[in-house]
Amino acid sequence: DQQVKQNSPSLSVQEGRISILNCDYTNSMFDYFLWYKKYPAEGPTFLISISSIKDKNEDGRFTVFLNKSAKHLSLHIGPSQPGDSAVYFCAARANTGTASKLTFGTGTRLQVTL
Amino acid sequence: EPEVTQTPSHQVTQMGQEVILRCVPISNHLYFYWYRQILGQKVEFLVSFYNNEISEKSEIFDDQFSVERPDGSNFTLKIRSTKLEDSAMYFCASTTYRGSYEQYFGPGTRLTVT
Repeated sequence: DQQVKQNSPSLSVQEGRISILNCDYTNSMFDYFLWYKKYPAEGPTFLISISSIKDKNEDGRFTVFLNKSAKHLSLHIGPSQPGDSAVYFCAARANTGTASKLTFGTGTRLQVTL
Repeated sequence: EPEVTQTPSHQVTQMGQEVILRCVPISNHLYFYWYRQILGQKVEFLVSFYNNEISEKSEIFDDQFSVERPDGSNFTLKIRSTKLEDSAMYFCASTTYRGSYEQYFGPGTRLTVT
């Protein structure tokens, strides 16, 4: 049951360009979305989040866009740097009460080339 | 910057043995989680814990699994009788849930069951 989908397993972007990572979801109960970055053999690191009442959130080089009607969100990284090379996970939370779990997508491996 | 810590970083055990994975969440956090990631797959929710009891558990979290907060700082995951399919990275996470839903993850414990 893939409630959160990241259809691109990998993406290669040149340094200095904008990286765009996409995520789709199916559960209408999701009310909060997060992006995590993960290096091999490390835990996911929180990057940026967005509430379902917003359509855009920005933090430095990272911008997340949410299109609720399309059940789609995207993470824009710009300009991309070699250190951005990692696996990026989209995650979503449904308001099911206290301590609500996160549901993760399968991840997109971003490679930023020189 | 406060962070979630986990020990050990790697645990090798024989099938049928009990293992305890340990986590120290961020000190002012109130909600605690265990997730796991089987190699090549997505991060999956196992269990959430709040106010000294389980809030939610997934179907993966069967009778072989248990969690405990034995003191004010540690949060443990016990697998009573490990199976080969329990081999995975296990991540602990915590959050404050005060105005935001970001969960902060530890570096993980790689569990290898032989």
